[in-house]
Amino acid sequence: DAKTTQPTSMDCAEGRAANLPCNHSTISGNEYVYWYRQIHSQGPQYIIHGLKNNETNEMASLIITEDRKSSTLILPHATLRDTAVYYCIIRVNNQGGKLIFGQGTELSVKP
Amino acid sequence: NAGVMQNPRHLVRRRGQEARLRCSPMKGHSHVYWYRQLPEEGLKFMVYLQKENIIDESGMPKERFSAEFPKEGPSILRIQQVVRGDSAAYFCASSDRTGTSSQPQHFGDGTRLSIL
Repeated sequence: DAKTTQPTSMDCAEGRAANLPCNHSTISGNEYVYWYRQIHSQGPQYIIHGLKNNETNEMASLIITEDRKSSTLILPHATLRDTAVYYCIIRVNNQGGKLIFGQGTELSVKP
Repeated sequence: NAGVMQNPRHLVRRRGQEARLRCSPMKGHSHVYWYRQLPEEGLKFMVYLQKENIIDESGMPKERFSAEFPKEGPSILRIQQVVRGDSAAYFCASSDRTGTSSQPQHFGDGTRLSIL
């Protein structure tokens, strides 16, 4: 299973972009990069995922390097409600693919 | 659209009792996953089911734990003879019919199980 490395914690000022990095140097060619977040005591919330190309949706953008060994999740205008633990996950690509959660990055958005 | 529904939200059991946790997937989803989050720890995969089939149970404890997803009705995670170490948040997720790695899993808000 591909492992991910994320910083333990990050701070971001409200209204600024939050850039959360993730290293996944052992990713296989057909494995997806997924991002989830967990706000205290709630279930994980799906944010975005991608394979090779950069992706954007209403929540965030995902930038994947050309060699696919790292990626960055971008929250363009962070709000206090974005304070959460963010998980970068490489999806195991067989029989539906369980999610293997690491420790994630604890993002604190400050006023 | 209703999301993944889990009930009960909170469940208290005494040691030795049985706990039954229910999960109704999102409409149109036929793949269900169960995860457990122990206090101050990350989420751990337990089991993956499709209708009437267990696909991957590599994360399930060998004893006392079982899961099902019948043709009709919700998925059930059953814990027999509960012990204090079973106290945790149990999350269910579902994905659509293809169940491939390209389809995201969507989570419910979990059941908090407390063992007295």
